[in-house]
Amino acid sequence: EDQVTQSPEALRLQEGESSSLNCSYTVSGLRGLFWYRQDPGKGPEFLFTLYSAGEEKEKERLKATLTKKESFLHITAPKPEDSATYLCAIPKGDSWGKLQFGAGTQVVVTP
Amino acid sequence: DAGITQSPRHKVTETGTPVTLRCHQTENHRYMYWYRQDPGHGLRLIHYSYGVKDTDKGEVSDGYSVSRSKTEDFLLTLESATSSQTSVYFCACLAGAVGTGELFFGEGSRLTVL
Repeated sequence: EDQVTQSPEALRLQEGESSSLNCSYTVSGLRGLFWYRQDPGKGPEFLFTLYSAGEEKEKERLKATLTKKESFLHITAPKPEDSATYLCAIPKGDSWGKLQFGAGTQVVVTP
Repeated sequence: DAGITQSPRHKVTETGTPVTLRCHQTENHRYMYWYRQDPGHGLRLIHYSYGVKDTDKGEVSDGYSVSRSKTEDFLLTLESATSSQTSVYFCACLAGAVGTGELFFGEGSRLTVL
């Protein structure tokens, strides 16, 4: 059965303290892996799509990487506005919108 | 954004009553989805639609039905609400190019079943 596991569940960082979030997956034939950001009381917001091992995507202080078993979301020199829950997901079935999400990593960045 | 509006945003109801949540989009997206989000479970797909009157079940569809009579509207109905359906419900549209997995989500509807 396809599985997506994120770790850690929660992460508290000082402003400027870089760190990485992990998303491990079990699926036969990965078609893509997606990262989303979710602020409290809001819907998730799309960040990245990764398709194959070795691929990297960057956006401001965030960089997502992909291996054959897991993906990492690196947060470089985070700011308080990077505080959010970060979700990863893989497509399940025949539709690109049918996603299996991990439980998320809640990141808090303090000044 | 994809112009997604969910209504109501908050609702408290009693066990056994019917509830309908509405998702309205203004961008003419073909694919629409209903997810629920619960602590410890993350987001789980309830139902989805791939066109007007074309719908299919997701992984947690028991107790839910959907309808899509117009491109812009996707309705989620709980025929007889139960306490286990207390959750935050998100509507989403597949807004990116095919293969990107780029979903745009609404703001969510918080449902409490007493």
